[in-house]
Amino acid sequence: QQQVKQSPQSLIVQKGGISIINCAYENTAFDYFPWYQQFPGKGPALLIAIRPDVSEKKEGRFTISFNKSAKQFSLHIMDSQPGDSATYFCAANTGFQKLVFGTGTRLLVSP
Amino acid sequence: DVKVTQSSRYLVKRTGEKVFLECVQDMDHENMFWYRQDPGLGLRLIYFSYDVKMKEKGDIPEGYSVSREKKERFSLILESASTNQTSMYLCASSLSSGPGDIQYFGAGTRLSVL
Repeated sequence: QQQVKQSPQSLIVQKGGISIINCAYENTAFDYFPWYQQFPGKGPALLIAIRPDVSEKKEGRFTISFNKSAKQFSLHIMDSQPGDSATYFCAANTGFQKLVFGTGTRLLVSP
Repeated sequence: DVKVTQSSRYLVKRTGEKVFLECVQDMDHENMFWYRQDPGLGLRLIYFSYDVKMKEKGDIPEGYSVSREKKERFSLILESASTNQTSMYLCASSLSSGPGDIQYFGAGTRLSVL
């Protein structure tokens, strides 16, 4: 299965709260899991990424949690800010840089 | 800074027209990609190229073709545009084919086919 299932479709979080976006996959051959952030009118940009041999990766307020046995991974945004309001895509590498993307989560952080 | 430039931000075309979407990257990247982005469907890979004159089909190549005559330029061609090809088209490039290599995206071309 070459799909990555992403939820929720949209999310509203208060400023200072924690935003959590979840993704699940079936293909155990996926070898790299990036998250992309997209602001309106812009192309997606890499936010953070993880390999399947690591359970957690943190960069500033952004953390990926990876559960290999459950075939799930999630993005946590701590102390969410209005500037984090964007659409977030999880993805998985199928090999040779071919990425399969989730359907996206539109995050709104209210002031 | 890596720059991926798509020649048009907005395009309006008629059904049956031949449409060219152009993409240029300035960082000597080996790989280039074309995606389409639709609400609720995320990004779907149309075609990619890992070298000049080389191309590979992605997940949704039907109705599209590509051309890569020079390393920095990757064109997406809609041979006979149809209304179901109305979408946002995104070009990306990456340095090489390692799984950890970053794909850099252009700002997109919003195509409307009437």
